[in-house]
Amino acid sequence: KQEVTQIPAALSVPEGENLVLNCSFTDSAIYNLQWFRQDPGKGLTSLLLIQSSQREQTSGRLNASLDKSSGRSTLYIAASQPGDSATYLCAVRPMDSSYKLIFGSGTRLLVRP
Amino acid sequence: DAGVIQSPRHEVTEMGQEVTLRCKPISGHDYLFWYRQTMMRGLELLIYFNNNVPIDDSGMPEDRFSAKMPNASFSTLKIQPSEPRDSAVYFCASSLDPAGELFFGEGSRLTVL
Repeated sequence: KQEVTQIPAALSVPEGENLVLNCSFTDSAIYNLQWFRQDPGKGLTSLLLIQSSQREQTSGRLNASLDKSSGRSTLYIAASQPGDSATYLCAVRPMDSSYKLIFGSGTRLLVRP
Repeated sequence: DAGVIQSPRHEVTEMGQEVTLRCKPISGHDYLFWYRQTMMRGLELLIYFNNNVPIDDSGMPEDRFSAKMPNASFSTLKIQPSEPRDSAVYFCASSLDPAGELFFGEGSRLTVL
């Protein structure tokens, strides 16, 4: 059974810092992996989607990497800003049920001014 | 496009009452998903539709839950009768293909007293 873990559960950093959020999954047979952002009381906003054949994806100050064989993904945020404060969720699609996203419990990020 | 639209945003009801949650997917998206988010269990897939047809409802917790998609632009999730343990945020999401980038609505926060 696929399990997704995100560590740390919470992170507080000063503005301007570069930071890395971690995601690990137990079964490397995944179709793709998606990173989301969730603001309090809001829905999930898709940040990046990495196919299993890809190693990384970039969007603006965000860079996500995927190491399928070791069951790990990282989300790198450059030059963090207070507006980046949110919960970041990682989700994988198992190869045998690629329509289903298996979510981690998220990392709650606070960027202090 | 306005994105995935859900209503109501908040619903407070008493145990035993019927609850109907509504969703309008992004136009052109053939896949629609209902997820539930709780503190204890995180995000879980309840059911998904392809071209208005339910494909996998194995995540629906009990017979009290039912979902329909009468046309490409509208879906409902119904709970009858509701119970306090149904309290959660219910999200609708849509995508162009089953394993593609998933777009979420703002969610419907349900409280059953």
